[in-house]
Amino acid sequence: EAQVTQNPRYLITVTGKKLTVTCSQNMNHEYMSWYRQDPGLGLRQIYYSMNVEVTDKGDVPEGYKVSRKEKRNFPLILESPSPNQTSLYFCASRLYGDSPYEQYFGPGTRLTVT
Amino acid sequence: GQQLNQSPQSMFIQEGEDVSMNCTSSSIFNTWLWYKQDPGEGPVLLIALYKAGELTSNGRLTAQFGITRKDSFLNISASIPSDVGIYFCAGQLGAGGTSYGKLTFGQGTILTVHP
Repeated sequence: EAQVTQNPRYLITVTGKKLTVTCSQNMNHEYMSWYRQDPGLGLRQIYYSMNVEVTDKGDVPEGYKVSRKEKRNFPLILESPSPNQTSLYFCASRLYGDSPYEQYFGPGTRLTVT
Repeated sequence: GQQLNQSPQSMFIQEGEDVSMNCTSSSIFNTWLWYKQDPGEGPVLLIALYKAGELTSNGRLTAQFGITRKDSFLNISASIPSDVGIYFCAGQLGAGGTSYGKLTFGQGTILTVHP
């Protein structure tokens, strides 16, 4: 089954404790991205990657890092989480090209930073 | 960055009623998308619009890509309880530049359907 998976689905952590949220897709998509969802704000892009070793900032990159060492994986790293990073996070992937290909979203990771 | 204004923010309707929601943008998009999000899930694509003026249907859903490329609307006819969820519009630019592939989302419309 074609899908985007994220782990963990739920995470409660404390301020300053480094964490990684994993994202993996099995559709051989070049383009992957991370969004955060906050009430009243919709989804906002954090980082994106157009292919292996090619990453760039989205609209709200502060406090986050990403890496793209393999095509299927795109982990989101919070080096020193803070309470304002409490949010619902979604990973998404799509094919790269001129056509407006559909983006597929993972099931989400709900992060709470205390 | 670009902003999408989606309205209404929430709707409470009776089963069987029709629903309309819309999105407006301060700038042009080449693609408009409508997503639905169920509780505990990621957004799922409902309808994609690729040309200005395009009107597309998917079952009871109909969406239009505004002629100015700065707006879009979604209609749901004869609503049923399983239509409950959050509906998002999203705009996407075409190829090229750092905006390629990025979706700009509206704030969402929370739909509640009373049986």
